[in-house]
Amino acid sequence: DVKVTQSSRYLVKRTGEKVFLECVQDMDHENMFWYRQDPGLGLRLIYFSYDVKMKEKGDIPEGYSVSREKKERFSLILESASTNQTSMYLCASSFQIGERNQPQHFGDGTRLSIL
Amino acid sequence: ILNVEQSPQSLHVQEGDSTNFTCSFPSSNFYALHWYRWETAKSPEALFVMTLNGDEKKKGRISATLNTKEGYSYLYIKGSQPEDSATYLCAYSGGYQKVTFGTGTKLQVIP
Repeated sequence: DVKVTQSSRYLVKRTGEKVFLECVQDMDHENMFWYRQDPGLGLRLIYFSYDVKMKEKGDIPEGYSVSREKKERFSLILESASTNQTSMYLCASSFQIGERNQPQHFGDGTRLSIL
Repeated sequence: ILNVEQSPQSLHVQEGDSTNFTCSFPSSNFYALHWYRWETAKSPEALFVMTLNGDEKKKGRISATLNTKEGYSYLYIKGSQPEDSATYLCAYSGGYQKVTFGTGTKLQVIP
């Protein structure tokens, strides 16, 4: 079974802090994604990566950056956390071959609160 | 940002009832339509990936159909059980590597 592991289930940080959310997958997937989920808005794509050191902006990249130094690990960085970044964050991964047809495998999510 | 809409937003059904919900998506540049089930306190789990107009997929009591020309997909659950209670998400792929998710249909099956 594919395993996508997010480093924390719950996290509380203060405004202005630099926050790192880590995601690791064990299936050698090329693609990795970061989403946030807010009530009434569904899953919105922040960034995705299709290869090591490659990244593409999603629909809501402002205030975030990402890092993919190794194939299995994709990090989401909140450069200076703000209260409007309080949300549930989900990481996902998928194969790239025929990538449009490949399902995404999700982690359990990190519920982040910015005080 | 692409418009992927799901309806209804939520519904309650009695155990044993059959139910269905809708996902609407852009009919142009279609590549794939995904369905996921997201149970509380768990991660979203893929149900189906559909690519061809007229596709029908089935997994146990759950099935889905796809109409790419008019831009909709239906998800059906036959004889709903309490363990079917979850949020059902559809996601549209118009190319490249990413998908756009709908806001989901939250299903509650009452024993």
